Amino acid sequence: DIQMTQSPSSLSASVGDRVTITCRASQSISSYLNWFQQKPGNAPKLLIYAASSLQSGVPSRFSGSGSGTDFTLTISSLQPEDFATYYCQQSYSTPRVFGQGTKLEIK
Amino acid sequence: QVQLQQWGAGLLKPSETLSLTCAVYGGSFSGYYWSWIRQPPGKGLEWIGEINHSGSTNYNPSLKSRVTISVDTSKNQFSLKLSSVTAADTAMYYCARDSPRVYQLPASGIDIWGQGTMVTVSS
Repeated sequence: DIQMTQSPSSLSASVGDRVTITCRASQSISSYLNWFQQKPGNAPKLLIYAASSLQSGVPSRFSGSGSGTDFTLTISSLQPEDFATYYCQQSYSTPRVFGQGTKLEIK
Repeated sequence: QVQLQQWGAGLLKPSETLSLTCAVYGGSFSGYYWSWIRQPPGKGLEWIGEINHSGSTNYNPSLKSRVTISVDTSKNQFSLKLSSVTAADTAMYYCARDSPRVYQLPASGIDIWGQGTMVTVSS
């Protein structure tokens, strides 16, 4: 199985901050990398697919980059509704493993 | 607008079989892959497996010996069975829609999710 490692596991930031979360795959996954946001009590929500494509309806302050084994999710200016847990997921092969999550908290 | 509605038993005893069904409303059933994902309380997401409208499946090897995912195209439904459950299978279970495949790889991501079913395994 391909292993996905996110960092950091948790992050404190303030409204308006620029935040970056990283995700590393244990082997090359080309650009088959997705990012999800999950708020307590809710199902995950797709933000970014294919490493850098913004899902319809997702604000443009979210962006993704990377290919191969190293990927990043950037939130350009944090909004109050962005405080949540973020997961990466590889879709290059099965099983489609998720990262362990990054909890973004208010500073 | 596509919606997924899932249902099934929420409380099981050890060794019983978990059974969940997910119905797809408001959109195409064929062409997509249909997934099951679970999340233990306070923990991360685990991909269980997927199926397409033709019945082609992929399973997580960690669960493969106990998992069966099936499809009923006449009802636009797909189902999950997980046998011999233990407390470690206690989790929120989600059904979800994954993207069509291009050259056997997903064109996008898991974009629609069911509401989730909390399954508790306890004696």
